[in-house]
Amino acid sequence: DVKVTQSSRYLVKRTGEKVFLECVQDMDHENMFWYRQDPGLGLRLIYFSYDVKMKEKGDIPEGYSVSREKKERFSLILESASTNQTSMYLCASSLGKGLFFGPGTRLTVL
Amino acid sequence: DQQVKQNSPSLSVQEGRISILNCDYTNSMFDYFLWYKKYPAEGPTFLISISSIKDKNEDGRFTVFLNKSAKHLSLHIVPSQPGDSAVYFCAASSSGSARQLTFGSGTQLTVLP
Repeated sequence: DVKVTQSSRYLVKRTGEKVFLECVQDMDHENMFWYRQDPGLGLRLIYFSYDVKMKEKGDIPEGYSVSREKKERFSLILESASTNQTSMYLCASSLGKGLFFGPGTRLTVL
Repeated sequence: DQQVKQNSPSLSVQEGRISILNCDYTNSMFDYFLWYKKYPAEGPTFLISISSIKDKNEDGRFTVFLNKSAKHLSLHIVPSQPGDSAVYFCAASSSGSARQLTFGSGTQLTVLP
């Protein structure tokens, strides 16, 4: 079974803090993704990566950056957290058509 | 502009009855559709998919129907069980690749015992 793990299940940060969300997959997938889930808005793509050191913006990249130094690891960075970034963050990996999601990180920015 | 729409934010169904979740899309280039199920505090898990060359795909209690002319797909769960209570997301792709998946806003299904 594919396993996608995220470093934290719950995180509370203050406005202006730098936040790192880490994601690791164990199936040697080329593609990795970061989504956020908000009520009534579904899942929105922030960034994805199709190879090490490669990244592409998704639908809502503003306020975020990413890093992919190793194939199995994809990090989401909030350079200066703001209250409107309070959300559920979901990492996923994929080899082809479908996505395998991690358990999510519930981030609260105060 | 939402290309994939789930117009019902919630649905309640009695245990043993049929649950029908609906999804509409606007992009005629979409050719691959998926349903994901999400429990609270967990990531979404893949449920069932359908390619545009088919109009029906079945997997146990779950059946997905695709009506290309109406740009509509539906997920049928028969019989519904309390463990099916979750948020269901439909997603669509135009290239058959996960890179291009567009998700709907989700429908909260509650199956009442």
